[in-house]
Amino acid sequence: DIQMIQSPSSLSASVGDRVTITCQASQDIRKSLSWYQQKPGKAPRLLIYDASNLEAGVPSRFSGSGSGTDFTCIISSLQPEDIATYYCQQYENLPPTFGPGTKVDVK
Amino acid sequence: EGQLVESGGGLVKPGGSLRLSCATSGFTFSSAWMSWVRQAPGKGLEWVGLIKSKTHGGTIDYAAPVKGRFTISRDDSKSTVFLQMNSLKTEDTAMYYCTGHGKFLFARDYRGQGTLVTVSS
Repeated sequence: DIQMIQSPSSLSASVGDRVTITCQASQDIRKSLSWYQQKPGKAPRLLIYDASNLEAGVPSRFSGSGSGTDFTCIISSLQPEDIATYYCQQYENLPPTFGPGTKVDVK
Repeated sequence: EGQLVESGGGLVKPGGSLRLSCATSGFTFSSAWMSWVRQAPGKGLEWVGLIKSKTHGGTIDYAAPVKGRFTISRDDSKSTVFLQMNSLKTEDTAMYYCTGHGKFLFARDYRGQGTLVTVSS
């Protein structure tokens, strides 16, 4: 199985800050990577697919980049409604595997 | 917009069985590859399994922890996917979500509210 390493595991930032989350795959997954946002008590929500494509309806302050084994999700200007846990996930190979998550909160 | 409604969760004793359903609408279900994903309380996301569309052979794949105990099936006439869970263990306690596959996992048209399964004596 492909292992996904995500960092940091948590972070605290101020409103308006640029937030960066990284994800590393244990082998080449090309661009077969998604990012999800999950708020407490809610189902995960797809933010970015194919490493850099924004899902419809997702604010443009979210962006993704990377290919191969190293990926990044950036929130360009953190908003209070962005408080959530973020997960990366590869779908290059079965089984699809998730990173352990990054919990983002506001200082 | 797609809608997914999971049902069938509840409290069950270890060794027991439960059948989850996921009724869908708003997209062409017969063409969709459908997945089950679970999340134990306070933990991360774990893929459970996948059923492909019949045009892609209807192939089913399972995660190792559930293989041999869980069975995924689909009824295209009812736009519904099922998860039959047998020989349940306490570690199967989780919120269970049905969703799409690949870049459609938890996408806007492929996201339900989940159903909670609690395995406890």
